[in-house]
Amino acid sequence: EVQLVESGGGLVKPGGSLRLSCAASGFTFTNAWMSWVRQAPGKGLEWVGRIKSKINGVTTDYAAPVKGRFTISRDDAKNTLYLEVNSLKTEDTAVYYCSALGYPQYFQYWGQGTLVTVSS
Amino acid sequence: QTVVTQEPSFSVSPGGTVTLTCALSSGSVSSTHYPSWYQQTPGQPPRTLIYNTNTRSSGVPDRFSGSILGNKAALTITGAQADDESNYYCALYMGSGGVFGGGTKLTVL
Repeated sequence: EVQLVESGGGLVKPGGSLRLSCAASGFTFTNAWMSWVRQAPGKGLEWVGRIKSKINGVTTDYAAPVKGRFTISRDDAKNTLYLEVNSLKTEDTAVYYCSALGYPQYFQYWGQGTLVTVSS
Repeated sequence: QTVVTQEPSFSVSPGGTVTLTCALSSGSVSSTHYPSWYQQTPGQPPRTLIYNTNTRSSGVPDRFSGSILGNKAALTITGAQADDESNYYCALYMGSGGVFGGGTKLTVL
């Protein structure tokens, strides 16, 4: 059974930082392209970014609102995906979901999400 | 900036058929955007319904189908049931990542 379990969310002040984690199991994480998607309270889904597999160069892409502030990384030895979020703004308040991408280019598996609240 | 547009809300009677659409702010949606569709109820993560335009995800009933209609991607629900009442999101692949539509709130009544 595929499982994606996010952690690391919480309350943080504007300008602060957090590192979110996503522990993966039930599939070959090493080969998977992974993504983060967020959802602000009462709003729709927003793609945050993705990271390719090692064989595809571990390259990353980001949505414009987070580029330069968020960093996606992965530790294949630990089957874990990370999202480093810096210079947080109130508008970054959201549930952050990790997702394993299927071929071609869709969000195949989803975690339960972790809530990040940015407030003073 | 790419904007993906969906109907904000739609209503269907139980047993009825409804088609939700997904459009691009500029240009047509095609199979090269690999349209996908997700169902979400409040407090739950999204559930993958359709990918690659018209392929149903594992376990998804065949009353859900995807297609390209004109210049839009479309999700059709045939024989709507009460538990189909949810929010539905489309996603399009734009080369360097995905873009979600704003979602459609579907009411079954």
